[in-house]
Amino acid sequence: AQSVTQLGSHVSVSEGALVLLRCNYSSSVPPYLFWYVQYPNQGLQLLLKYTSAATLVKGINGFEAEFKKSETSFHLTKPSAHMSDAAEYFCAVSSLSNAGGTSYGKLTFGQGTILTVHP
Amino acid sequence: GAVVSQHPSWVICKSGTSVKIECRSLDFQATTMFWYRQFPKQSLMLMATSNEGSKATYEQGVEKDKFLINHASLTLSTLTVTSAHPEDSSFYICSAREWASGRDYNEQFFGPGTRLTVL
Repeated sequence: AQSVTQLGSHVSVSEGALVLLRCNYSSSVPPYLFWYVQYPNQGLQLLLKYTSAATLVKGINGFEAEFKKSETSFHLTKPSAHMSDAAEYFCAVSSLSNAGGTSYGKLTFGQGTILTVHP
Repeated sequence: GAVVSQHPSWVICKSGTSVKIECRSLDFQATTMFWYRQFPKQSLMLMATSNEGSKATYEQGVEKDKFLINHASLTLSTLTVTSAHPEDSSFYICSAREWASGRDYNEQFFGPGTRLTVL
């Protein structure tokens, strides 16, 4: 079983300020973790992913996330917010418990966090 | 690379009619496709997983006779909402992944989504 909890359904920051979006996961097996961004009425775009290699993962658009096993966390950060970062962000965990089977790689999403960036 | 398209991008239909949504992988062979539903201001919920040439595996609580999924080729999966009702109105998103050398099998590529409104 796996689950994802995103703390804070809405986060508001000023342009240029630090962005911190929180994600905690629960997984019975070593997880693969992802952050996706969704703009209104669009699909999901992958920001970054953790796949058991380096714990600090760098993604697109200046975002990065750190995998902390002891805290079961995978928080997303960006040093300086841009207006274009305003969107909804989803953290997701992937199941690896049935390698090669139909459930392999199923994604479970968090509730999403809407990021607002104001001037 | 790794582009997924959906058609139509939006559809409005009358209650009781059926609607077909197409999901295509444009530049890779999608051995597995996933269908998600997203209600307003909510997260993505996995409806079903389909492997090319096999019957889809539905998540608990999803009516397989209502949401017909066909994955007859490596580049096309279709979702048919049969006898649609207003409560089926939602944003439907597909994703695809490829089992190939050098490809991260855990990464899913998402389509832009289809907005279904049932009157």
